[in-house]
Amino acid sequence: AQSVTQLGSHVSVSEGALVLLRCNYSSSVPPYLFWYVQYPNQGLQLLLKYTTGATLVKGINGFEAEFKKSETSFHLTKPSAHMSDAAEYFCAVSDWGNTGKLIFGQGTTLQVKP
Amino acid sequence: EAGVTQSPTHLIKTRGQQATLRCSPISGHTSVYWYQQALGLGLQFLLWYDEGEERNRGNFPPRFSGRQFPNYSSELNVNALELEDSALYLCASSLATPGDNEQFFGPGTRLTVL
Repeated sequence: AQSVTQLGSHVSVSEGALVLLRCNYSSSVPPYLFWYVQYPNQGLQLLLKYTTGATLVKGINGFEAEFKKSETSFHLTKPSAHMSDAAEYFCAVSDWGNTGKLIFGQGTTLQVKP
Repeated sequence: EAGVTQSPTHLIKTRGQQATLRCSPISGHTSVYWYQQALGLGLQFLLWYDEGEERNRGNFPPRFSGRQFPNYSSELNVNALELEDSALYLCASSLATPGDNEQFFGPGTRLTVL
């Protein structure tokens, strides 16, 4: 069965510092991977996705992620954190077999300190 | 282009009552998904509807049910409400053949069971 593990339920960075949110997946087939962001009292917004092709994926708001098959990882990065980046971030993998569901990690809350 | 909409924003019920949550997908999307985001349990897949048919359901009891209408909108019904049903319920939509299964989420309905 596929699964997603996000390392670190809370990450705190200073404004202007590098953001690194970790995601590891388990899948027996090439995965489709996603990062979503959830601001307080809102739904999920897609940041970026990996399907096939280039392993470095660029998303919105300056975020990017690199698919590393050998490490089964899909870590999210941003060179310089802004206060507005404070939110909860979810990594997800598309379930194999056309079940329709996305399998989410437990989420990482990003705190940005001034 | 309008995004996924959900109503109501908040819903307060008492134990044993029934709750009905509604979702309108993005225009042109025929698949609708429901997820439960309960405190401490993360995002759990509930149901998938496509072309008016239930295609898959997650590990939830039968008192969680729903339907999809000819205009592709959907409703989620929760019968015999229990305290642990208190959660944010998120609806998402996607194209008929999503391929990479990119799902677009609505803002959610916050259900509180007293």
